[in-house]
Amino acid sequence: ETGVTQTPRHLVMGMTNKKSLKCEQHLGHNAMYWYKQSAKKPLELMFVYNFKEQTENNSVPSRFSPECPNSSHLFLHLHTLQPEDSALYLCASSSGTGSYEQYFGPGTRLTVT
Amino acid sequence: GESVGLHLPTLSVQEGDNSIINCAYSNSASDYFIWYKQESGKGPQFIIDIRSNMDKRQGQRVTVLLNKTVKHLSLQIAATQPGDSAVYFCADRPTFGNTGKLIFGQGTTLQVKP
Repeated sequence: ETGVTQTPRHLVMGMTNKKSLKCEQHLGHNAMYWYKQSAKKPLELMFVYNFKEQTENNSVPSRFSPECPNSSHLFLHLHTLQPEDSALYLCASSSGTGSYEQYFGPGTRLTVT
Repeated sequence: GESVGLHLPTLSVQEGDNSIINCAYSNSASDYFIWYKQESGKGPQFIIDIRSNMDKRQGQRVTVLLNKTVKHLSLQIAATQPGDSAVYFCADRPTFGNTGKLIFGQGTTLQVKP
């Protein structure tokens, strides 16, 4: 595997379900990011991790819970989501938070029913 | 508030023509401006960047122009090819600390007609 991988690629979940999105980067980077991409809206930064420590939470509702066990892996735990949370969730990494060149995964297309 | 916006949601060009994608930004304190390309089914991919103290930067078939006076950024693609069909996003990096935060615009869909 190379670059940034995300699993699953597609996910359908009910509002009472609990699920997790996984991201792994094979680039030796130290910073990882979660973004939400909704139709006709700009990419929204959700969380930033640098050396496993969360450095940014962009006022994300608590039903989204990130976890970064090491610099290569990033999870987004989902619980009691709403239909408006349906979107493409993108993971990215960069060498550090000082770098603006971010490498994105293909995303997880999430549908909340 | 802070925002990055694009002038046109969709741009259609003939193969071989040059393409110009425009972007306006609001934050005068950004130090870098970046263009990303997102093909269908993929995540955004870095294309080119420009520092705020420059007004032009060239890459392979792409040129980015920065006009700080009117807070305008453009991406020029020479000899547009079918493989250039994608959504193009501009983004800027606010200078307040190295938080990794990028502010993205909404995106322009480039359609290349054969």
